[in-house]
Amino acid sequence: QKEVEQDPGPLSVPEGAIVSLNCTYSNSAFQYFMWYRQYSRKGPELLMYTYSSGNKEDGRFTAQVDKSSKYISLFIRDSQPSDSATYLCAMSSNNAGNMLTFGGGTRLMVKP
Amino acid sequence: GAGVSQSPSNKVTEKGKDVELRCDPISGHTALYWYRQSLGQGLEFLIYFQGNSAPDKSGLPSDRFSAERTGGSVSTLTIQRTQQEDSAVYLCASSLASSYNEQFFGPGTRLTVL
Repeated sequence: QKEVEQDPGPLSVPEGAIVSLNCTYSNSAFQYFMWYRQYSRKGPELLMYTYSSGNKEDGRFTAQVDKSSKYISLFIRDSQPSDSATYLCAMSSNNAGNMLTFGGGTRLMVKP
Repeated sequence: GAGVSQSPSNKVTEKGKDVELRCDPISGHTALYWYRQSLGQGLEFLIYFQGNSAPDKSGLPSDRFSAERTGGSVSTLTIQRTQQEDSAVYLCASSLASSYNEQFFGPGTRLTVL
């Protein structure tokens, strides 16, 4: 079993919908949680960065972390076709060097 | 400002040949990372450099893989005697030492081993 699990999708939604993307993890040492967006044949782009439990909002994006359940979420409001991409969650702990552990990514398609 | 750059963008090689992949990090970023992204395996950590410290090589899959970072800036990932299972996208990232989890990725090098 992988340390970080993420449904690969694809997830198809109509334009304007609220999108929920999720990851579960097994390593309780993870303290830092990131979401990356990756367009086809491009490198991952950092979207959100959170520490420990709680919520963080940035424009149309909200990241949630529930450490007690080992579950993180990314919500996208008013989704746009330009949001169509693969979304990767990533995590790290204080004592694992500076290596990020990634989920496999969820492919999102927002249809006009 | 300029982001992380990688070259070449695509590389096709024959099994058994050596390849060198280059990464130029964001100016001022002292930490540099190599990851590999392949179908079915996701993004896997390979190696990490921080300043003048010894690199963390814990993710390198075999002794055919090596990397160096000259002058604390540009890094080269070398794969010797390439195998078909080495085919993947090799991604480089860099970060400030004060915020090592905020890693900024380059566009990657797509390696195909025939």
